[in-house]
Amino acid sequence: GAVVSQHPSRVICKSGTSVKIECRSLDFQATTMFWYRQFPKQSLMLMATSNEGSKATYEQGVEKDKFLINHASLTLSTLTVTSAHPEDSSFYICSARDPGTGWDYGYTFGSGTRLTVV
Amino acid sequence: ELKVEQNPLFLSMQEGKNYTIYCNYSTTSDRLYWYRQDPGKSLESLFVLLSNGAVKQEGRLMASLDTKARLSTLHITAAVHDLSATYFCAESYGGSQGNLIFGKGTKLSVKP
Repeated sequence: GAVVSQHPSRVICKSGTSVKIECRSLDFQATTMFWYRQFPKQSLMLMATSNEGSKATYEQGVEKDKFLINHASLTLSTLTVTSAHPEDSSFYICSARDPGTGWDYGYTFGSGTRLTVV
Repeated sequence: ELKVEQNPLFLSMQEGKNYTIYCNYSTTSDRLYWYRQDPGKSLESLFVLLSNGAVKQEGRLMASLDTKARLSTLHITAAVHDLSATYFCAESYGGSQGNLIFGKGTKLSVKP
C-alpha cells in the first residue's frame, strides 16, 4: 500500500529558531499532501493543503508566513515552522492519497513529528 | 458548517463486553473513514466506507455506513485490552484530492 514517510519524528528547538519537517510519498506521486496539527488529547486540525508546483492553501487562522509549505516535487512536501515559539509545540502529521488507487485505499498518514519549543 | 460528530468521547469498557461508537457527518461526500491512534503515534487506517449500507469487519471491529442518516458506526465485539486507543472517524471533502474532516475522537479504555 501507499507509504508516507515523515521526518524527523521528534525535534526540540529553541524559541526563535526554525524547524523543517519533511513528508515523502515513497511509492506513489502525491500532487496533493495535507498537513495537520494535533494538540494533546485533541483531534486533528487541517493546517494547509500542499499542492505540487503551486502555492499551498491555508486554513483560516493559520499564519502562512509562520508555517511555510513547499511542495517542490511530486514526492516531497516540507513544512517549516519559522521563528518557533512554545505555543507552536504540537504533533504535526502529514497525509496523502495515492491518486492512482481507488478510494478503497483511503488516505495514508506519516508517522508524525513531535515538536517541542523550549 | 462542515462537521463530524462522534460519541461518546470517552468509553471505559470491561473486557468481553460489546459497544458501539457513533459518527454523524454533515456533508454529502459519503466517504467515511475510521482510524485508530495509539498514544504518541500517528493514525492507522481501519476502515474505508464508500457506499450506503457498506459494512466492513476486521477482527473484533465492525464498521457500517448509512448515507441516508449520515451515520457511521464502529462496533466493538468482546473487547480486549489491546483495543484500548483513540478512534477517529473522518469524512473526506473536496473531491478526489480533498482533505479529511475529523471527529473529536473516542478514547477507548478496555479494563480487565
